[in-house]
Amino acid sequence: AQSVTQLGSHVSVSEGALVLLRCNYSSSVPPYLFWYVQYPNQGLQLLLKYTSAATLVKGINGFEAEFKKSETSFHLTKPSAHMSDAAEYFCAVTGGIDYKLSFGAGTTVTVRA
Amino acid sequence: DVKVTQSSRYLVKRTGEKVFLECVQDMDHENMFWYRQDPGLGLRLIYFSYDVKMKEKGDIPEGYSVSREKKERFSLILESASTNQTSMYLCASTRGEFEQYFGPGTRLTVT
Repeated sequence: AQSVTQLGSHVSVSEGALVLLRCNYSSSVPPYLFWYVQYPNQGLQLLLKYTSAATLVKGINGFEAEFKKSETSFHLTKPSAHMSDAAEYFCAVTGGIDYKLSFGAGTTVTVRA
Repeated sequence: DVKVTQSSRYLVKRTGEKVFLECVQDMDHENMFWYRQDPGLGLRLIYFSYDVKMKEKGDIPEGYSVSREKKERFSLILESASTNQTSMYLCASTRGEFEQYFGPGTRLTVT
């Protein structure tokens, strides 16, 4: 079975500051990991994914994440926050055996001018 | 671009009503999913389907059923809506590369 824990339900950053969203996973098999973003009143959009290739994954809108097996982590970062980054972010994991995703509870990001 | 559409963005129903939520994808994906999203709980899987006429229970199937008569369409049915089913419902599909594509969601309110 797989599960995800997102640390911090809410993160507030200043425009131009580093964005760091934490995700730890649990998986009995090598995981596939994802970060999704949800803007208000919209569905989820894929930011990036890890599928056992490079451990540093680059995604859209300047986001990247690093897979660290020893720490069972897949933290999301962006060097410089923009007002348009205000949204809810979800980390998700699948074991690859089936196509079911397990999602974290989500982290809401607000960006201060 | 993959497109997943859901029949309604907002829906208000009364307790005890039968409710149908429709989802259609246009990319010939085999796998389709229904989730509900609640604050602080993330997304929880209700049902999923690997193929036409096939369905599997997810983590919270109680009070729901599904139908998949055509490959592109996956319907979620609330047989007798209750207030605790007030939620955001999200449909997703995937061909099998594990990345799921999501619809815009249906915000259902049961009064």
